[in-house]
Amino acid sequence: KAGVTQTPRYLIKTRGQQVTLSCSPISGHRSVSWYQQTPGQGLQFLFEYFSETQRNKGNFPGRFSGRQFSNSRSEMNVSTLELGDSALYLCASSLVSAGGIAEAFFGQGTRLTVV
Amino acid sequence: DQQVKQNSPSLSVQEGRISILNCDYTNSMFDYFLWYKKYPAEGPTFLISISSIKDKNEDGRFTVFLNKSAKHLSLHIVPSQPGDSAVYFCAANIQGAQKLVFGQGTRLTINP
Repeated sequence: KAGVTQTPRYLIKTRGQQVTLSCSPISGHRSVSWYQQTPGQGLQFLFEYFSETQRNKGNFPGRFSGRQFSNSRSEMNVSTLELGDSALYLCASSLVSAGGIAEAFFGQGTRLTVV
Repeated sequence: DQQVKQNSPSLSVQEGRISILNCDYTNSMFDYFLWYKKYPAEGPTFLISISSIKDKNEDGRFTVFLNKSAKHLSLHIVPSQPGDSAVYFCAANIQGAQKLVFGQGTRLTINP
């Protein structure tokens, strides 16, 4: 079974630009979450999508947005990039059970560098 | 407000001995806890989880203990192996939320 696939693996952008990151979840997983990892703040939750609907959102500015498609693939977009957006962006997929509890399986991440 | 805390940034253990990683949380709404292992420039790898209705869960060399009254959980790895050297994160979740809150991580080094 293929794992969570994130593309691209590495990205360099200039301040003020926008960027789109892609995530393909594990087959059958309908929940996709995004996380940002930085040395100073650690791993922080961005948002979670389930069946094309955003169910949960973290404390990030509106420049960070996402969407999920009918095949559960997800994209996240960051507009007007700032130097502080440089981070490892991680996508996780989950097979949510009836009880609502599920482990999240992570992709390799996209390393975004803003210069 | 750090809801999940791993107070030890690093831990060094001899190969073959037991590694014990600790994690504390403050939010009593958390009811599901997970441990992840992470290598640099890679995504976290799921290790083991525990629901708040249990106080222990075991999977091979890994055992997680949960003390709800103390809001504390720990991960025991025995015996420790060199391949266990990595950063370990504990994470907490509220049922149905799929919104993991992570600790800052503990770097575990297994010495031969």
